[in-house]
Amino acid sequence: GENVEQHPSTLSVQEGDSAVIKCTYSDSASNYFPWYKQELGKRPQLIIDIRSNVGEKKDQRIAVTLNKTAKHFSLHITETQPEDSAVYFCAARRGYSTLTFGKGTMLLVSP
Amino acid sequence: EPEVTQTPSHQVTQMGQEVILRCVPISNHLYFYWYRQILGQKVEFLVSFYNNEISEKSEIFDDQFSVERPDGSNFTLKIRSTKLEDSAMYFCASSEKGAGYTEAFFGQGTRLTVV
Repeated sequence: GENVEQHPSTLSVQEGDSAVIKCTYSDSASNYFPWYKQELGKRPQLIIDIRSNVGEKKDQRIAVTLNKTAKHFSLHITETQPEDSAVYFCAARRGYSTLTFGKGTMLLVSP
Repeated sequence: EPEVTQTPSHQVTQMGQEVILRCVPISNHLYFYWYRQILGQKVEFLVSFYNNEISEKSEIFDDQFSVERPDGSNFTLKIRSTKLEDSAMYFCASSEKGAGYTEAFFGQGTRLTVV
């Protein structure tokens, strides 16, 4: 089955800096890669996703890049704000099968 | 905005007891899922459900687990004989189509504590 590795497990940045979280996946047939943000005690919420026919997608301060050859994808957050502090999960899926999540990255943005 | 709702928000149960976690998916969604998250760990897939049957399940979803859609709105997860290691946050999710094609929306979770 699919295996998703996520790094780093914890990331501390100063407000205004950029943050990058990286994930690798094992199943070359995976074609959908969402990123979820989970604030403490709350549900995971989709913040951005990318499909395998696209190399990059951007939504305001958030962007995701995908390298199918290397089987890795990354989340980029620019101009970080304290409210960006949360746990971020990457996930991968092939077709109709289920999401496989990474272990999560705790992002701490200091004012 | 429609959302997935789960009840109860927190359930405490004695080891060996049966628990039923309830979920109301978004009304026009056809695919339903249960995930669990042990404290501080990643979200793990348990089971997916479509057209009134299980479409996929993980190794975690053993014989003590079952799912049911008893009516047109509810989707339940039953754990027959709870163990201490079943303590976790359980998330229900739903999607309009297969979740490879549309976003899976998560409920707010049920925190299960087995004592």
